[in-house]
Amino acid sequence: QSVLTQPPSVSGAPGQRVTISCTGSSFNIGAGYDVHWYQQLPGTAPKLLIYGNSNRPSGVPDRFSGSKSGTSASLAITGLQAEDEADYYCQSYDSSLSGLVFGGGTKLTVL
Amino acid sequence: EVQLVESGGGVVRPGGSLRLSCEATGFTFDDYGMSWVRQAPGKGLEWVSGINWNGGSTGYADSVKGRFTISRDNAKNSLYLQMNSLRAEDTALYHCARDVHSRTTLHDYWGQGTLVTVSS
Repeated sequence: QSVLTQPPSVSGAPGQRVTISCTGSSFNIGAGYDVHWYQQLPGTAPKLLIYGNSNRPSGVPDRFSGSKSGTSASLAITGLQAEDEADYYCQSYDSSLSGLVFGGGTKLTVL
Repeated sequence: EVQLVESGGGVVRPGGSLRLSCEATGFTFDDYGMSWVRQAPGKGLEWVSGINWNGGSTGYADSVKGRFTISRDNAKNSLYLQMNSLRAEDTALYHCARDVHSRTTLHDYWGQGTLVTVSS
């Protein structure tokens, strides 16, 4: 049971928009800690996708965006492409555990 | 180019020990904190342990506290994870990752991982 809750899977057709939610609590997201997002393509190491809730590292397309409100955060992907098919993870800090925490991950399928 | 290369994984019996290493190149190693993050087969990511730039501050997930020890050798640009009293549930791909200490620590570069299998 992950401290941050994500839907196990989402799907969308090429060109569509999908969102992935990340729900936490008053000990992590709700306490003001930032949320970061990672993309893990099949068979590869995770890659930083969004940092500080809504910032994109250099090289990440602006089709990817992040937001945070209250005890939740969201990752939005617009103009879906086949190469976006991957697992996506949110990450934050939890003060009750005194450690970094990840969501359980969401598998994105491009139909 | 930042590169993180893990080694030391293998098959070990329950109760056994293993020491993982991570060699870092392409950046000034002692400017950064580092972490170990693991991924059990077919499962999600789990932060295991982190260490600050000079080794003076460390943190552990509850699942490994008292059994695992993180350390670093800045002269060798290397990160380590000593794993003792291993259990079947420690079976995973262990990644080392570079930390960026912003308002909330994030991992901006990851290694490909080294596989640890705990089995009798």
